[in-house]
Amino acid sequence: SQQGEEDPQALSIQEGENATMNCSYKTSINNLQWYRQNSGRGLVHLILIRSNEREKHSGRLRVTLDTSKKSSSLLITASRAADTASYFCATDFEGAQKLVFGQGTRLTINP
Amino acid sequence: KAGVTQTPRYLIKTRGQQVTLSCSPISGHRSVSWYQQTPGQGLQFLFEYFSETQRNKGNFPGRFSGRQFSNSRSEMNVSTLELGDSALYLCASSLSIANTGELFFGEGSRLTVL
Repeated sequence: SQQGEEDPQALSIQEGENATMNCSYKTSINNLQWYRQNSGRGLVHLILIRSNEREKHSGRLRVTLDTSKKSSSLLITASRAADTASYFCATDFEGAQKLVFGQGTRLTINP
Repeated sequence: KAGVTQTPRYLIKTRGQQVTLSCSPISGHRSVSWYQQTPGQGLQFLFEYFSETQRNKGNFPGRFSGRQFSNSRSEMNVSTLELGDSALYLCASSLSIANTGELFFGEGSRLTVL
């Protein structure tokens, strides 16, 4: 399957701690994106990282991409209750011409 | 700028019926993609339309179809509904072809098949 696999499936941390989620894939990609989904709502785009990039930042978010290991990670620093959501990686596999979403990581921030 | 609008937000159908879902993309966006989201299968790609042409299609039976109009609005249709079609159907629009950039999602249409 070309689908990215996310790890862990669920993560529960205390407010103020950092949260790290990982996404692994099996074939070459053009780009990889991260999205957030609040319960039962639409997805919101967080960051896009291209295959020739290694790291990108956006506010409290940091995304890394290691194409040699075929993996990406999303770090959320100083977590807040409002960060509680599901986080998905979406990969643009070479030749696929579509975005393929992983199963997601369900993040819970405890006050 | 208005976001992506999906209608209806909720609907209940019975097996064998058919359903049409609508998606109005962000103004100026030419690509509309559809995804099915279920707890067991996650987000599954249905199809993408770009400038009224189906650009790509996922692994769904022929009961699932779609189209895009000249104003970029899109509809998807599911005929002969089955219980397993119960899902959140998400539409996303983008400026260019979907896999190259950011997708903007609507809130979804939640379909329940009884």
